[in-house]
Amino acid sequence: RKEVEQDPGPFNVPEGATVAFNCTYSNSASQSFFWYRQDCRKEPKLLMSVYSSGNEDGRFTAQLNRASQYISLLIRDSKLSDSATYLCAVNPYTGRRALTFGSGTRLQVQP
Amino acid sequence: NAGVMQNPRHLVRRRGQEARLRCSPMKGHSHVYWYRQLPEEGLKFMVYLQKENIIDESGMPKERFSAEFPKEGPSILRIQQVVRGDSAAYFCASSPPRAGPTDTQYFGPGTRLTVL
Repeated sequence: RKEVEQDPGPFNVPEGATVAFNCTYSNSASQSFFWYRQDCRKEPKLLMSVYSSGNEDGRFTAQLNRASQYISLLIRDSKLSDSATYLCAVNPYTGRRALTFGSGTRLQVQP
Repeated sequence: NAGVMQNPRHLVRRRGQEARLRCSPMKGHSHVYWYRQLPEEGLKFMVYLQKENIIDESGMPKERFSAEFPKEGPSILRIQQVVRGDSAAYFCASSPPRAGPTDTQYFGPGTRLTVL
């Protein structure tokens, strides 16, 4: 089993739709969680850190479910500019800082 | 407020040559991380460094790859005797001093290495 798994997609949604991605992680001791966005051939850009209480930033909401070991990202009112690959990143090891990334979920928002 | 800087952005090498990739962290950051992204794959951690120290190199291949972060100047990822399988995007990230495991890593634009 991979340490961090994501559905690769692609998710094809119309503008204005709500879309949700999940990301599962295998190490229950994982301590920090992030969602990054990566456009084609560009660097990952931080979208949100994911906190135990959940957090929201405009149209984006992130949740952490420690019992089931997954994090989620919800995008409301999708825009064409949201088309990208969404990477989840987990720090799975106590005392270490290396992030383990999922392979990404591709989102294509269509007009 | 410059972000993480990497150069060159594109690097072409022939098999057997050496590749040197440079990374300057964000101003005020003293932790540097190198990741590699193979085509159609996710990012894989390679090495974590602080000034003059390698802290975690658990993701580095055992041979041909080395990294340093000298007291002065950028961090360098060095690949000796490159092979075609080294073709990838190499991303550097940085985080601030006294950062902990929950602190955010900010990525540079990457170096795309092509081995002919």
